[in-house]
This record gives sequence, structure tokens and C-alpha cells, in this order.
Amino acid sequence: QKEVEQDPGPLSVPEGAIVSLNCTYSNSAFQYFMWYRQYSRKGPELLMYTYSSGNKEDGRFTAQVDKSSKYISLFIRDSQPSDSATYLCAMTEGQAGTALIFGKGTTLSVSS
Amino acid sequence: EADIYQTPRYLVIGTGKKITLECSQTMGHDKMYWYQQDPGMELHLIHYSYGVNSTEKGDLSSESTVSRIRTEHFPLTLESARPSHTSQYLCASSERGTARELFFGEGSRLTVL
Repeated sequence: QKEVEQDPGPLSVPEGAIVSLNCTYSNSAFQYFMWYRQYSRKGPELLMYTYSSGNKEDGRFTAQVDKSSKYISLFIRDSQPSDSATYLCAMTEGQAGTALIFGKGTTLSVSS
Repeated sequence: EADIYQTPRYLVIGTGKKITLECSQTMGHDKMYWYQQDPGMELHLIHYSYGVNSTEKGDLSSESTVSRIRTEHFPLTLESARPSHTSQYLCASSERGTARELFFGEGSRLTVL
């Protein structure tokens, strides 16, 4: 079983839709949960990060962590064509020396 | 925008050639990383460094080697390229402490014929 599972999609939605992206994980020691966005032919960039369980909101983006279910989500409201990218979840135990573990990424396409 | 640069962006090379992928950052970060990214697959850590003269292998076995002689520079070398080395190589850096935010370069796409 992989430590982090993420449905690669692709996911196609019309402009204005609400998008839900998800990851599940198996390591209960993970404490920090990140979402990276990667545009075509670019490197990933950090979009949001959350510590432990709970919600975090930043504009049209909301990150949720449910540690009891080992499940994290990223919601995008009022999706825009500029949101078309690959979204990678990543997580880490948090101690110095531990690496980020990435999901495969979900490719999202928002059509106008 | 992150100040981390990779060259070359694209490289097509024949089997057996020696190649070096360059990575430089101007943020003064102590930690630097090399990831390998294949289509539909997770990013896999192949090398990392916590500072000058520090290098470690990541969780994915790789025939490449790295060096860290200067804080800002973290090149990756393949002594004899093979078609199995064809991949996207991403360099990243982070500040000291927990590596939550990695700053990535734009990647070097290597094709070995």
C-alpha cells in the first residue's frame, strides 16, 4: 500500500464549478499536509498547508484535513480557467530530517 | 516567484554520455533536493543536502551523484546516461527546519536515446 493515494484524474469542469480534490494516506504520524499546484512545464508551487486536523481557507481555496479518516481535501470555489493545472498533495511527519511524501497529482482542466 | 534556476531545461543525449544538471538558488537556503518526476507518478526524492559538504540519498535509488560545494549550487551528475534515466528532474530548496515549503525550479527534462 502506498503511503499517499491520489486519484490522477483527469478532471474536467466548466468555469464556475466547485472542485473537490482528495488524498488518502496510511501513516498516522503525518502532521503537516500541503497542496502544491503545478502548471504545465513548470515546477510545483506551494498553494496551501495545514497543520494537523481542521480547515484552512485562502480566497477561493479551502483545505481540509480529517486525521481520524486519514483523508485530506482541497476545495476550489468558482473555478477559473487559470486553475487548470496538476494539484499534488504532500505530507510529512514534521520532524527535522523527514521528507515530504507526494501523491501522484490530479490534473484539473477548467473550461470557459 | 522562487529564485531557483535549473539548466538545461531540455536535454536530448545519447546513451553513455556524461551529463550534469545544474541547479542554483539565490535565497540562501540550507536545504536542497533533487526529485524525479515521471508522468502519472509521484515525485520521488533521489538526493538531498542539508548544507555545504552534506549530501544524502533519497528514497528512490538513483545512479546519479550530487555535490554541494557552495550553498547556492547543487548539481546532479550522471556518469553514463541510459534510456532508463529519461525523466523530469526537479530541483528544490527550503529554509532550515521542517521542510514544509519547497521552492522548485522549472525542471530539467532529460531524454536519453
